[in-house]
Amino acid sequence: SAVISQKPSRDICQRGTSLTIQCQVDSQVTMMFWYRQQPGQSLTLIATANQGSEATYESGFVIDKFPISRPNLTFSTLTVSNMSPEDSSIYLCSVGQPGTEAFFGQGTRLTVV
Amino acid sequence: SQQGEEDPQALSIQEGENATMNCSYKTSINNLQWYRQNSGRGLVHLILIRSNEREKHSGRLRVTLDTSKKSSSLLITASRAADTASYFCATDDSGNTGKLIFGQGTTLQVKP
Repeated sequence: SAVISQKPSRDICQRGTSLTIQCQVDSQVTMMFWYRQQPGQSLTLIATANQGSEATYESGFVIDKFPISRPNLTFSTLTVSNMSPEDSSIYLCSVGQPGTEAFFGQGTRLTVV
Repeated sequence: SQQGEEDPQALSIQEGENATMNCSYKTSINNLQWYRQNSGRGLVHLILIRSNEREKHSGRLRVTLDTSKKSSSLLITASRAADTASYFCATDDSGNTGKLIFGQGTTLQVKP
């Protein structure tokens, strides 16, 4: 199992600014994932955070908008850049191996005004 | 992109009744998982069923998988008010990367 500490838990930000979300895992993990959950919607994968290399982004998500860092096997950050109200969502980090359960942080509820 | 659909989108029942949620998916899978989310918080894993399994139980939960129909169901028996939450199915991607593809989710309300 893995315990993930994600922060901040929520924030209200002005449009045009950036917010960095942090996830700390209590054990070393190879794969970390960042998801977005828009209001009333399901989760959509933003990117896979790879240790020692650039993140791998899903279709519709770009590094300039969602830069990701993965400096070691227990930590990752996601930045939401140049925010607009459309970025208001819950952002979640996750860890997991293929074929096993995934573990999630508690999420960051972002509101952009 | 979303893997498939869940139905119903919303379900309201009385405490003690059973709740059944269905999930359909589009591509071949290695396994299917069900997660629960309380009030927009983090997801909690409920159960994983592998593609060669047809049914799995965990406490009051029963999951079935029909790979020929590309569908799964989650049954919660003897529901409690504390079961009120959103429930999502998730499938692994075909590349064995650990990525999950989520269904649309079912919002369950259990009235005391």
